[in-house]
Amino acid sequence: EDKVVQSPLSLVVHEGDTVTLNCSYEVTNFRSLLWYKQEKKAPTFLFMLTSSGIEKKSGRLSSILDKKELFSILNITATQTGDSAVYLCAGIISNFGNEKLTFGTGTRLTIIP
Amino acid sequence: KAGVTQTPRYLIKTRGQQVTLSCSPISGHRSVSWYQQTPGQGLQFLFEYFSETQRNKGNFPGRFSGRQFSNSRSEMNVSTLELGDSALYLCASRRSASGGLGSGANVLTFGAGSRLTVL
Repeated sequence: EDKVVQSPLSLVVHEGDTVTLNCSYEVTNFRSLLWYKQEKKAPTFLFMLTSSGIEKKSGRLSSILDKKELFSILNITATQTGDSAVYLCAGIISNFGNEKLTFGTGTRLTIIP
Repeated sequence: KAGVTQTPRYLIKTRGQQVTLSCSPISGHRSVSWYQQTPGQGLQFLFEYFSETQRNKGNFPGRFSGRQFSNSRSEMNVSTLELGDSALYLCASRRSASGGLGSGANVLTFGAGSRLTVL
């Protein structure tokens, strides 16, 4: 059964700290891994990672994929209160040409001012 | 450009009733997917529709059904509601059902969801 596991489940840090969120996956027919940020309701897209070892960056956020060890990390440096959210990772599974996402349960990040 | 619109935003039903949720995708997007989000299970894939045809389906019972109209709007229906159906139902759209879920303009864009409470 396809599985995506995120850790920690929740994290509370002070503003300015750096955090690392983890995502491991056991997924057949794996194609890529996505990170989303969910603040209130609608998850918003952050990164797509397809190739191992290539870092994606957007401002203070960065992410990297290790296809051999089947995991990805999301780093946030100099955290701000606006980074408080649930961070979701999802594996893209391809099944006879039809794709779907298998999500982890998310990491709830809280930034204390 | 308007985002993915879901209605209603909140609703309360009792066990045994049925419910219909609606999703209007981003203009030009022809693929609509539905996900159920609960605290314990996270987001789970329900189904995807493209050109009025169901392209992919998750592991949910037959009480969960959907359809897509010629204007790409989609509805999902849950019959004989159970307490465990209480969840946030998220709809997501993308331009097409091929070309890769994460690639470029084909990234899934989510709506704000419909929060269903079953009493």
